[in-house]
Amino acid sequence: NAGVTQTPKFQVLKTGQSMTLQCAQDMNHEYMSWYRQDPGMGLRLIHYSVGAGITDQGEVPNGYNVSRSTTEDFPLRLLSAAPSQTSVYFCASSPGGTGEKKLFFGSGTQLSVL
Amino acid sequence: GEDVEQSLFLSVREGDSSVINCTYTDSSSTYLYWYKQEPGAGLQLLTYIFSNMDMKQDQRLTVLLNKKDKHLSLRIADTQTGDSAIYFCAERAAGANNLFFGTGTRLTVIP
Repeated sequence: NAGVTQTPKFQVLKTGQSMTLQCAQDMNHEYMSWYRQDPGMGLRLIHYSVGAGITDQGEVPNGYNVSRSTTEDFPLRLLSAAPSQTSVYFCASSPGGTGEKKLFFGSGTQLSVL
Repeated sequence: GEDVEQSLFLSVREGDSSVINCTYTDSSSTYLYWYKQEPGAGLQLLTYIFSNMDMKQDQRLTVLLNKKDKHLSLRIADTQTGDSAIYFCAERAAGANNLFFGTGTRLTVIP
């Protein structure tokens, strides 16, 4: 079972570079989201999507873009990386509708911006 | 906005019980969750509780919810070294899609 797949696992960027973190899920989940994890701050929501073609901002969206052209994929783009974006990034998905909405997480991408 | 708080660290001896606490501010929280994160891995759902319940037990795990005080706890009985991890509390408001997470509690089990 693949579940939620994130690539790459590690990435080092220079300030000002751009890159895309990939996220794919094979569970036909409507909801997908991106979080960043920083020491002592827990997980903070960057962007989320409730279905293909629909995206919205979370708590910390500045410096990041997302798109959702298919149900399966939800890439996160950094247009001009800054040292403050050094973090561990997690993609997560869950089924739509009502109910307990269990989130399934990818294994994370560790990003360093120099 | 939502605020979910946890203490950062907890150490227990192997075989003892662990109690990890969480407080939240959103009175409309519908579901409350406990996630476990092992080193270098993503988060895995351990258990969850619906807001109309005050207790849920699942093998060695017991979740207690005090809605009046907005306090959630996770008790792990007979704690093992494999339970060493970071534990996150999370809440979701009624009708909302997003989960809000606490800072995480790093549990260290001493052999």
